[in-house]
Amino acid sequence: NAGVTQTPKFRILKIGQSMTLQCTQDMNHNYMYWYRQDPGMGLKLIYYSVGAGITDKGEVPNGYNVSRSTTEDFPLRLELAAPSQTSVYFCASSPGRLNTEAFFGQGTRLTVV
Amino acid sequence: AQKITQTQPGMFVQEKEAVTLDCTYDTSDPSYGLFWYKQPSSGEMIFLIYQGSYDQQNATEGRYSLNFQKARKSANLVISASQLGDSAMYFCAMREDLIQGAQKLVFGQGTRLTINP
Repeated sequence: NAGVTQTPKFRILKIGQSMTLQCTQDMNHNYMYWYRQDPGMGLKLIYYSVGAGITDKGEVPNGYNVSRSTTEDFPLRLELAAPSQTSVYFCASSPGRLNTEAFFGQGTRLTVV
Repeated sequence: AQKITQTQPGMFVQEKEAVTLDCTYDTSDPSYGLFWYKQPSSGEMIFLIYQGSYDQQNATEGRYSLNFQKARKSANLVISASQLGDSAMYFCAMREDLIQGAQKLVFGQGTRLTINP
């Protein structure tokens, strides 16, 4: 069972570079989320999607973009990377209301130098 | 907006002892849900237990139980018979409504639990 798959697992970027974090889920979930976790902190919501073609901002969207062309995929784009974007990024999905767990990917550890 | 507070940055417990991790929450919604996640050093988020605000009984999952005290707005995680593998970061979280049925998780800052042999 694949669940939520994120790639890459680790990445080092130079300031000003761009990259896309990939997220794929095989559970046919409508809702997908991107969170970031700064050192010693809980997760904060960056962007989310309620289905193909529909996305919205979370708490900390600045410096990021998302798209949702299919149910399965929800990539997160970093434009002009900055040191403040050094963090661990988690993608998550859920079928509907969070009455049980949200399914998380393994995380992507990103360092901007 | 929902808020989660975990006041214990770190805890040290002897193996086989029970441990309680504190979590208090703040919300004005009558319907809410509370979650506990474990994050080992490998980094993944592992779901442990869920408690709904209208659930009549405290949630239990194996060695994990949730001490839910609604009037005090607390949802403490109890781990019985702790094991070395329980050493990890533990997060309390609460769901918050977004648009069109989406719900995000609002996390506390976490408690780092260390089990000593």
